[in-house]
Amino acid sequence: AQSVSQHNHHVILSEAASLELGCNYSYGGTVNLFWYVQYPGQHLQLLLKYFSGDPLVKGIKGFEAEFIKSKFSFNLRKPSVQWSDTAEYFCAVTSPAFKAAGNKLTFGGGTRVLVKP
Amino acid sequence: GAVVSQHPSRVICKSGTSVKIECRSLDFQATTMFWYRQFPKQSLMLMATSNEGSKATYEQGVEKDKFLINHASLTLSTLTVTSAHPEDSSFYICSAIEDRETETQYFGPGTRLLVL
Repeated sequence: AQSVSQHNHHVILSEAASLELGCNYSYGGTVNLFWYVQYPGQHLQLLLKYFSGDPLVKGIKGFEAEFIKSKFSFNLRKPSVQWSDTAEYFCAVTSPAFKAAGNKLTFGGGTRVLVKP
Repeated sequence: GAVVSQHPSRVICKSGTSVKIECRSLDFQATTMFWYRQFPKQSLMLMATSNEGSKATYEQGVEKDKFLINHASLTLSTLTVTSAHPEDSSFYICSAIEDRETETQYFGPGTRLLVL
């Protein structure tokens, strides 16, 4: 079984500040990595994903994430946040090795981000 | 593209009744859909994997007879909460895979169930 941990449960920052959210996973094999965002009252939306290739992945709305295999990490970053980035962010992992089990995603606990105007 | 809808968005029912929630992939076919449950201020918990034309695969601790899943077509999966009780009140979310090779799940907007 694999697990995903997000270290920060809550983050509060001001507009224009930089954001970095940590995500670590436990599975040692090949992984597919995702960051989803859930804005207040809305459904989960895919921010970005990594399957292979360049470990620095760029997503929508100015977000990027870096896959560091040696650290089992996939941290999310944004250089300058806006008030509209207030949301909950979820890291998720699956693996081709689990395809037989139905491509299940394992989610981290989520990080609530509040951006003060 | 890759839009997933759920119906209803909210439902209130009396204890002991059954509630059906629909999940549809609007612009793609989905051989696999997933059902999650999200408690307030918590992450998503996978309940079951729904495969078109076959029985759903339930996660450990999820009652099959309580949460009936039917994936009758490539664009529709339904979750029926049978004999609902107040502890079943929750936010139920479905997702669907558009392309099995990429394994990216697209999520529906969720259904909030309140059992009185």
